[in-house]
Amino acid sequence: EVQLVESGGGLVQPGSSLKLSCVASGFTFSSYNMHWIRQAPKKGLEWIALIYYDSSNKYYADSVKGRFTISRDNSKNTLYLEMNSLRSEDTAMYYCAKEGYTTDYWYFDYWGQGVMVTVSS
Amino acid sequence: DIVMTQSPTSMSISVGDRVTMNCKASQNVGSNVDWYQQKTGQSPKLLIYKASNRYTGVPDRFTGSGSGTDFTFTISNMQAEDLAVYYCMQSNSYPYTFGAGTKLELK
Repeated sequence: EVQLVESGGGLVQPGSSLKLSCVASGFTFSSYNMHWIRQAPKKGLEWIALIYYDSSNKYYADSVKGRFTISRDNSKNTLYLEMNSLRSEDTAMYYCAKEGYTTDYWYFDYWGQGVMVTVSS
Repeated sequence: DIVMTQSPTSMSISVGDRVTMNCKASQNVGSNVDWYQQKTGQSPKLLIYKASNRYTGVPDRFTGSGSGTDFTFTISNMQAEDLAVYYCMQSNSYPYTFGAGTKLELK
């Protein structure tokens, strides 16, 4: 059974840093691209970052580029999101998601339960 | 960035209804649109990928169609367990972008 378990969230002050983790199990983590997606309270979904299976490529939404860093440790089956210079607008539930694929298409087939990050003074 | 305009924002429906919602992309995204269901307090779940392909285990009352800029998602026979917010998402180019969601509520 595929499982994605996020951790590391909490209440932080504006300008501070936080590092989220997502531990994966039930699949060969090192073979799949992974994403972070967030959802502000009572709002919609926002894709924020992608990392390839071998860390060879990373992509970010403009809203987090230069402040957030996605990384992974395939030996630990763990995905990370390092968040710096946090702002109130970064307050959200953060989900990690596994990228599944068919012959010619990719999609988010599994999501974690999410971890809440609140940025407030 | 590609903007996904989803409509309507909400719908009041009854069990057994046929439910249709739409998603319009600000530019051509081919067939690279997926539909996700998010129930209250849960993470999203994939229902439809590549515009019209039902994901594994998804009931056949859920269907998707469209290409280019206009996409439609239909629930043919609404069930109580289908109450949720439904999101479209384009995966044609980064950044991937979602519609604002359509919330289904009981009439």
